[in-house]
Amino acid sequence: QQPVQSPQAVILREGEDAVINCSSSKALYSVHWYRQKHGEAPVFLMILLKGGEQKGHEKISASFNEKKQQSSLYLTASQLSYSGTYFCGTEGTGRRALTFGSGTRLQVQP
Amino acid sequence: DAGVTQSPTHLIKTRGQQVTLRCSPKSGHDTVSWYQQALGQGPQFIFQYYEEEERQRGNFPDRFSGHQFPNYSSELNVNALLLGDSALYLCASSLETGTHSYEQYFGPGTRLTVT
Repeated sequence: QQPVQSPQAVILREGEDAVINCSSSKALYSVHWYRQKHGEAPVFLMILLKGGEQKGHEKISASFNEKKQQSSLYLTASQLSYSGTYFCGTEGTGRRALTFGSGTRLQVQP
Repeated sequence: DAGVTQSPTHLIKTRGQQVTLRCSPKSGHDTVSWYQQALGQGPQFIFQYYEEEERQRGNFPDRFSGHQFPNYSSELNVNALLLGDSALYLCASSLETGTHSYEQYFGPGTRLTVT
């Protein structure tokens, strides 16, 4: 089942912060975050594993609440380059495949 | 260090035809996953190949098939094309580590248009 992302879209001014949420109804082993710019491939940002291990971008942080099967991506001091669509991909127990949400469109304005 | 490459970049086919898309994984990666991305949607998992075998499959009909070669490159074949198959097809590669701690790197995709 597809994870639910919120908000669907957000507009920021440079320097502002944003939080993107990802929620699943199934037990998760990991959550992966990607950013995709128009006409380009999704770019890996962060992976959060059950048990607390994280790997990813130094300037982006995220959390994973295993009990609630929810993850949040924190974008601080946003830059114009942060614009794009953010996807969370979830991995359930026993699977290697990612199930992606429908995305959050982020636009950072000067 | 070459990233994930895909060919062709764009393709136009007619309903009922067959198509083959190709993917070369990032250097050092041994696992290839294929995704279909419709406009405005997130990628949908088609299948994953590891050690030249289909390891997992998403909810796609048998018209979608694949192959992985000994050099880890992969092909996606779609038979009897439908208008609804029009989408961006993404290939992602990763390294099997025996754990769930893996990063998938996506290629630029192949834009398939079925008329």
